[in-house]
Order: sequence, then structure tokens, then C-alpha cells
Amino acid sequence: EIVLTQSPDFQSVTPKEKVTITCRASQSIGSSLHWYQQKPDQSPKLLIKYASQSISGVPSRFSGSGSGTDFTLTINSLEAEDAATYYCHQSSSLPFTFGPGTKVDIK
Amino acid sequence: EVQLVESGGGLVQPGGSLRLSCAASGFTFSSYWMHWVRQAPGKGLVWVSRINSDGSSTSYADSVKGRFTISRDNAKNTLYLQMNSLRAEDTAVYYCVLATGNWGQGTLVTVSS
Repeated sequence: EIVLTQSPDFQSVTPKEKVTITCRASQSIGSSLHWYQQKPDQSPKLLIKYASQSISGVPSRFSGSGSGTDFTLTINSLEAEDAATYYCHQSSSLPFTFGPGTKVDIK
Repeated sequence: EVQLVESGGGLVQPGGSLRLSCAASGFTFSSYWMHWVRQAPGKGLVWVSRINSDGSSTSYADSVKGRFTISRDNAKNTLYLQMNSLRAEDTAVYYCVLATGNWGQGTLVTVSS
């Protein structure tokens, strides 16, 4: 099973600040890494697919990069509505797995 | 607009069974792989199962293998998850997920005596 680790676990950020979340896979997964945002009492929402591909309707301040084992989600100029937990997810091999999540709080 | 609406959750005793359903609309259901993902209260996301577009291929997480069965009815645009021999650790919100990354609102399954 491919294990995904995320850092940091938690981040408290002021509006307009840049946020960087990293996801590391226990073995190479190519670009089969996706990022989700989940707000309290809501379903997860896809932000980035295949490491760096943008999703229609998702603000351009969200971007992704990486390949192999190391990936990054960047939120440029954080807005208050971005307070949420962010998960990475691999679809390279079964069983599909998710990272433990990074909670982003607004100061 | 893609819509995925889960139903069938509820309270069940350990060892009991439940069948979850996911009604799909707004896309060609028979063309897409589908997944179930669960989330225990206050915890992270866990992939449970997947099924290919015509229902001929399925996969499961080890934790549910032999107890859960995923299936689909493409004529009814509906995905199912039959859950047997339920355990307390199966307590979670169960989400229906389209391969394109769309999620339903989830249905809560509580396993408790």
C-alpha cells in the first residue's frame, strides 16, 4: 500500500499569505496525485488533478506541482474562504489512499 | 450538472447489514468508473471500493473485503454498496465518488448496539 504523508498537519495563516502544503508518497506514483479541499460538514471538493492540472471553477490561486514521490499544493494569496482541511490522494495503484490531511486555519 | 445522492445509511447493530445506494444524474453514468469512500467521525478519508463502467470489475480495501459488495445498475443510474457483518469500526459517512472527482453529500452509517 502506498502511504501518503502530508506536512504540515496544521497551519494558521493570515489572509493574503501564501500557503504551501507538501505530500510525499512512499513510492513513485508518477503524476497520479490529486488534491481535495474539505470544509466542515461538506463533501470534499477536487482542486487539482494529476499533480498540476487545474479544475474548472477552482480559483486560480490554487496550483499544484510535483511528480514521482514529492508533491506540493500552493495557495497564493489566501482568502478567508480557504479555511479547510486539504487532502492529497493517489490513484496510481490499489488500494487508493489519501494523506492524513492538512488543516488550514485563518488567523 | 453532475448530481450524486446517497441514501440507505442509518443505525445498525454489530453483525448487521445495510445497503447503500447512490443515484446519479447529469452525466452518462454507464461510461464512468465509480467509487465509495468513507470518513469516520472526525477522521480522514479512506477509499473503500471501486467498480468499472459495466460492473464487470471490482476492487476493495482489505478492511472490507469479503464483507462489502459494490455493484451498479446502469439502467437505473444507481451505484450500490452492500455491507454485511458490520463492525463498530465501519461507522462513517460513506461517499459515492465519480471517477472525475465529483462527490455526493454522503450518508452516515452508525454501527452500535
